[in-house]
Amino acid sequence: DGGITQSPKYLFRKEGQNVTLSCEQNLNHDAMYWYRQDPGQGLRLIYYSQIVNDFQKGDIAEGYSVSREKKESFPLTVTSAQKNPTAFYLCAVSGRETQYFGPGTRLLVL
Amino acid sequence: EDQVTQSPEALRLQEGESSSLNCSYTVSGLRGLFWYRQDPGKGPEFLFTLYSAGEEKEKERLKATLTKKESFLHITAPKPEDSATYLCAVQALTGGGNKLTFGTGTQLKVEL
Repeated sequence: DGGITQSPKYLFRKEGQNVTLSCEQNLNHDAMYWYRQDPGQGLRLIYYSQIVNDFQKGDIAEGYSVSREKKESFPLTVTSAQKNPTAFYLCAVSGRETQYFGPGTRLLVL
Repeated sequence: EDQVTQSPEALRLQEGESSSLNCSYTVSGLRGLFWYRQDPGKGPEFLFTLYSAGEEKEKERLKATLTKKESFLHITAPKPEDSATYLCAVQALTGGGNKLTFGTGTQLKVEL
């Protein structure tokens, strides 16, 4: 969806480093989501936020943190506690019919 | 616990050779079933939402159908540009956040 941007497209993390993935939307939707995609597995929900200044853990929240200070933005931080961070990370917003996804960020470990 | 199983994992078709992808699900009350298309290295692209058994939706060469236990994505006379991974997801009536539960996808390759 052209109204959802994720940056960077590729991100490299060193051992012990925290990194932050950006997700911005101009669709004026309240709910935003973060998913992780690994080969051979379905998308798994990390965190979601239904309104500014509120967010909930998903199925695999350990080692991740989020904030929702603005309606347009929902950044995801991958902390050093996440021992297997290599994956494709997808941000989504909840629209009228379903969730619409951004282009994704691929996180690799150096 | 909501579950989604997609089959086959991979499918290779000749151009023009019609086929169907399957999505079996168990959910504690279905709010909606969703089909997405995902190209390599990109985010999923929304295709269809189905809400109740018997419902059908079409878009170009794709047609999605829904029963109480499964959904089919029928591809009629596919072209190479239909090659992608097709994802199925369900949303339950109960539970917060309008969360989706995804299957692992069917990787479709259409050859000339």
